[in-house]
Amino acid sequence: GDSVTQMEGPVTLSEEAFLTINCTYTATGYPSLFWYVQYPGEGLQLLLKATKADDKGSNKGFEATYRKETTSFHLEKGSVQVSDSAVYFCALRGGGYNKLIFGAGTRLAVHP
Amino acid sequence: DAGVIQSPRHEVTEMGQEVTLRCKPISGHNSLFWYRQTMMRGLELLIYFNNNVPIDDSGMPEDRFSAKMPNASFSTLKIQPSEPRDSAVYFCASSLGGPTDTQYFGPGTRLTVL
Repeated sequence: GDSVTQMEGPVTLSEEAFLTINCTYTATGYPSLFWYVQYPGEGLQLLLKATKADDKGSNKGFEATYRKETTSFHLEKGSVQVSDSAVYFCALRGGGYNKLIFGAGTRLAVHP
Repeated sequence: DAGVIQSPRHEVTEMGQEVTLRCKPISGHNSLFWYRQTMMRGLELLIYFNNNVPIDDSGMPEDRFSAKMPNASFSTLKIQPSEPRDSAVYFCASSLGGPTDTQYFGPGTRLTVL
């Protein structure tokens, strides 16, 4: 079945460092791909999405490109801030209804 | 808009007791989802409603779990009897109802079963 694999955390960075969180997927057909962010004590929020191959989703300085050839959707940010500390979830939506399949989540801690 | 509202935010109960979690979706949203988040299993979809009708309940762990959506503005997830392994954070999410619409998550209910 469809699945999402993302790098294990925690990822610990200093402020202004470059961030990459890897995400790969297995799916039939052409899924839509998402990154959600969960801040402490809150629910998940959509960060960005891409619906077809080679699309780039971007928001708040974060970017991810839908790479069909490598079945990947890695999250990047050029300069992280302390306020980016959160758990990041990669997800896919396959065919049929609006069902999301999530990766395990990657915790990011950014220190001043 | 107030967003998705869940209550209670925290629930502590003893094994064997009945637990009811509540969700109010965003007004106008036709789809509602219940998720469970645990360290071991991550984020799992339990059940999905569209226009108040359960469409996919394949993620409901066992008969102790039940969910209802009596109207477009209210849903419940009930566990009876509760067990310690049910301890988790339970999220409700809603969307407009189309197959590609964004899901908006509530703040979650942290359930602890002693």
